Amino acid sequence: DIVMTQSPDSLAVSLGERATINCKSSQSVLYNNKNYLTWYQQKPGQPPKMLIYWASTRESGVPDRFSGSGSGTDFTLTISSLQAEDVAVYYCQQYYNTPPTFGGGTRVEIK
Amino acid sequence: EVQLVESGGGLIQPGGSLRLSCAASGFTVSSDYMSWIRQAPGKGLEWVSVIYSGGNTYYADSVKGRFTISRDNSQNTVYLQMNSLRAEDTAVYYCARVHYSLCGMDVWGQGTTVTVSS
Repeated sequence: DIVMTQSPDSLAVSLGERATINCKSSQSVLYNNKNYLTWYQQKPGQPPKMLIYWASTRESGVPDRFSGSGSGTDFTLTISSLQAEDVAVYYCQQYYNTPPTFGGGTRVEIK
Repeated sequence: EVQLVESGGGLIQPGGSLRLSCAASGFTVSSDYMSWIRQAPGKGLEWVSVIYSGGNTYYADSVKGRFTISRDNSQNTVYLQMNSLRAEDTAVYYCARVHYSLCGMDVWGQGTTVTVSS
C-alpha cells in the first residue's frame, strides 16, 4: 500500500496569513501526466469535502485561496489568506492504486 | 440535488452483524464508483471498500472476508454488509461517490455510527 505522510500534524496561522500543508507519498502517484492526489477539508461533525483533485485542480465552488501543487511524491496544499471558516483538518489521499490511502491529517487553527 | 444518506448504524456486540445502507439521489449509483470510508473516534480516514460501475468490488485488508459491498440499482442504494464485527470496527461509516477524475471522492453522506461493544 502507498503510505501518505502529512506534515505538520497541526499549525496555527493568523487570519489573513498563509497556511502550507505538505504531503508525501511512499511512491509516485503520477500516471499519464496526472497526479492521482486529492485534498480534503473536514470540519468538526461534518464529512470530508473535496477541495483539490489531480493535485492542483480546484473542485467547483472551492475558493481560489486554496491551491495545490507538486508532482510525483511531494505535494502541497496552500491557503493563501486564512479565513476563520478554514479552521478544519485537512487530508491528502492518493488514488493511484487500490487501496486508496489517506494521510494522517493536519489540523489548522487560528493563531 | 446530488445527495447520499446513510443508515443502519448502531450498537452491536462483538461477533455480530450489521447492514449499512446508502441511498443516493440526483445521480445513479450503477453508473458511478461508490465507496465506503470509515473514521474511528478522534482518528483519521480509512478507506473500506469500493464497488465499480461494472460490479467489481475491492476491500481493505482489515475487512476482507468479513464485509461485503453491494448495490440495488432499483433502489439506487449501496450496501455494506458487516459480519464478525470487532471492537476496532467502531467508527463513523461514510458512503461516498468516486469523482469522475477517479482521483478522489466528491460526494459524501453525513455518516452513520457503528459501535461494537459488549
